[in-house]
Amino acid sequence: NAGVTQTPKFQVLKTGQSMTLQCAQDMNHEYMSWYRQDPGMGLRLIHYSVGAGITDQGEVPNGYNVSRSTTEDFPLRLLSAAPSQTSVYFCASSYGGAGSPLHFGNGTRLTVT
Amino acid sequence: AQSVTQPDIHITVSEGASLELRCNYSYGATPYLFWYVQSPGQGLQLLLKYFSGDTLVQGIKGFEAEFKRSQSSFNLRKPSVHWSDAAEYFCAVGATDSGYSTLTFGKGTMLLVSP
Repeated sequence: NAGVTQTPKFQVLKTGQSMTLQCAQDMNHEYMSWYRQDPGMGLRLIHYSVGAGITDQGEVPNGYNVSRSTTEDFPLRLLSAAPSQTSVYFCASSYGGAGSPLHFGNGTRLTVT
Repeated sequence: AQSVTQPDIHITVSEGASLELRCNYSYGATPYLFWYVQSPGQGLQLLLKYFSGDTLVQGIKGFEAEFKRSQSSFNLRKPSVHWSDAAEYFCAVGATDSGYSTLTFGKGTMLLVSP
């Protein structure tokens, strides 16, 4: 059982480049979300989705774009990378409903130079 | 909106000693509460959760947490720490009036275990 799979594990971008962080889950979870983790800041919610075709913004959405065309996949797009987006990104999913625990991927470490 | 405070950024505990990690939350009602652990280079793993009922919650790896409504706290405890417990620990709160699990996390406490 793979759970939540994130690719790539590491990425280096130059300022202004674009890229997509991939996230896939095989647990048929309705809810998926993206967090970024920065030292001393904990995890902050970027975007989330409560089902295919439905997305919404979290606490720090600027500079990121998402879409949810299938239940399994929830990619995160950086349209024009900035050094402030250097971070570790985590995708998480849950079966939905308030209080259902999040299952996390192993993260993508992104560096923007 | 809910919030979580973990007052200790780092804690060092001797192997075999007891552990208590502090967590205080802010929410208008009784929230859903979670503790997660993150080992280096890994994602977050759920240790335990509190929804309602018994205020002492048992989790994996010998951890437990106690919900205290009067203190808005949900402290994590372990009676005897092992070197493998060295990791970062996150407390999280979830709104009970939300239709989905958008959690708010604390900033984390790094646990160091000395021999």
